[in-house]
Amino acid sequence: EAGVAQSPRYKIIEKRQSVAFWCNPISGHATLYWYQQILGQGPKLLIQFQNNGVVDDSQLPKDRFSAERLKGVDSTLKIQPAKLEDSAVYLCASSPPGLAAQGSYNEQFFGPGTRLTVL
Amino acid sequence: GQQVMQIPQYQHVQEGEDFTTYCNSSTTLSNIQWYKQRPGGHPVFLIQLVKSGEVKKQKRLTFQFGEAKKNSSLHITATQTTDVGTYFCAGRRSNTGKLIFGQGTTLQVKP
Repeated sequence: EAGVAQSPRYKIIEKRQSVAFWCNPISGHATLYWYQQILGQGPKLLIQFQNNGVVDDSQLPKDRFSAERLKGVDSTLKIQPAKLEDSAVYLCASSPPGLAAQGSYNEQFFGPGTRLTVL
Repeated sequence: GQQVMQIPQYQHVQEGEDFTTYCNSSTTLSNIQWYKQRPGGHPVFLIQLVKSGEVKKQKRLTFQFGEAKKNSSLHITATQTTDVGTYFCAGRRSNTGKLIFGQGTTLQVKP
């Protein structure tokens, strides 16, 4: 089974520029997540999609970040304009549909991430 | 807001020694997941704990979920160099279902 695909793997931009990241989840996975992982920290959830609907975007800086999953499969995350503090690894993850059991949630499968450096 | 705290942040051990990382939440969790991230890699799911007081084992790894469902631990017996990496706990809030990652414990193993 193919894993979560992300591109590009690395990106270097200057502050105030725009950047976009792409994610292709595992086939059949209804839930897709975008995380920001700053060096030395744990992943921080930016946005969660269930099919093509947003479940949680409470920690997404909406003045500069946007994300979409138009057909409920691939997703893109955009930053416009970028700031120095946006330098991080952006991880995409997906999980299969449905609850594994009462009180349980399915595991998340992470992609390799995109390492963004803002100069 | 809800935080999930992990200690220690770093741990250096001699190969063969044991290792434990602790995860604490300010509020009750519906479940907790553990992930391992190798240097330069991405988080990989290890296990999920759901029940109060639950204990699960995977070979040399033992995972526990506290009785109050606010804390968890991961214990590795007789570490090996292949155990090197950062171990994250991720707790899910009971009311919102949101998954909150701890800051991780980075394990170094000296051969």
